[in-house]
Amino acid sequence: GAVVSQHPSRVICKSGTSVKIECRSLDFQATTMFWYRQFPKQSLMLMATSNEGSKATYEQGVEKDKFLINHASLTLSTLTVTSAHPEDSSFYICSVLAGYSYEQYFGPGTRLTVT
Amino acid sequence: QQQVKQSPQSLIVQKGGISIINCAYENTAFDYFPWYQQFPGKGPALLIAIRPDVSEKKEGRFTISFNKSAKQFSLHIMDSQPGDSATYFCAASNIGYSTLTFGKGTMLLVSP
Repeated sequence: GAVVSQHPSRVICKSGTSVKIECRSLDFQATTMFWYRQFPKQSLMLMATSNEGSKATYEQGVEKDKFLINHASLTLSTLTVTSAHPEDSSFYICSVLAGYSYEQYFGPGTRLTVT
Repeated sequence: QQQVKQSPQSLIVQKGGISIINCAYENTAFDYFPWYQQFPGKGPALLIAIRPDVSEKKEGRFTISFNKSAKQFSLHIMDSQPGDSATYFCAASNIGYSTLTFGKGTMLLVSP
């Protein structure tokens, strides 16, 4: 399977500030990456699909101006939570689509806490 | 039509027993059915997956059974171990579109 990393693993920020989360595909070039958020004891909710070199496709109800996604290279996608509020506190997880198959491999997740 | 219904919500199994988790889907266009295992504070890990051209797939202690006519698939964990205690998610997708639709998850506890 693919190896995916995320940075940071945990971040605490103050309300109103912005925070960037990085997702890296370490062992292959990923043209497609996904961003999910997960609340405690709940399932994964797809936020957006990120394709290298093009604009991300956001799921219904996800604010594109609040959750900025950049997929500038085949190994890196970033999610920036702008003007964060306490309700944005969540577990953010990225995944990569293995181009040689259709399997998705997930990163370890980033715990965001907004105070 | 995009839902994947997963049951049970939680499950307690004794060590050495068989854990069974079931999922049902509605969208007949789905043609890829993976299972993910997630430990607290970690990202989901792909456990095993099946395509609808086979009715069963086995990898070690993990088996997926697939019933296309009933639109159901299940995960069986044989000889369950305390280390298997985790949350399990079924999912489904149409590989042409790649986005996964997840079930709500099953929290498995294997008692020693």
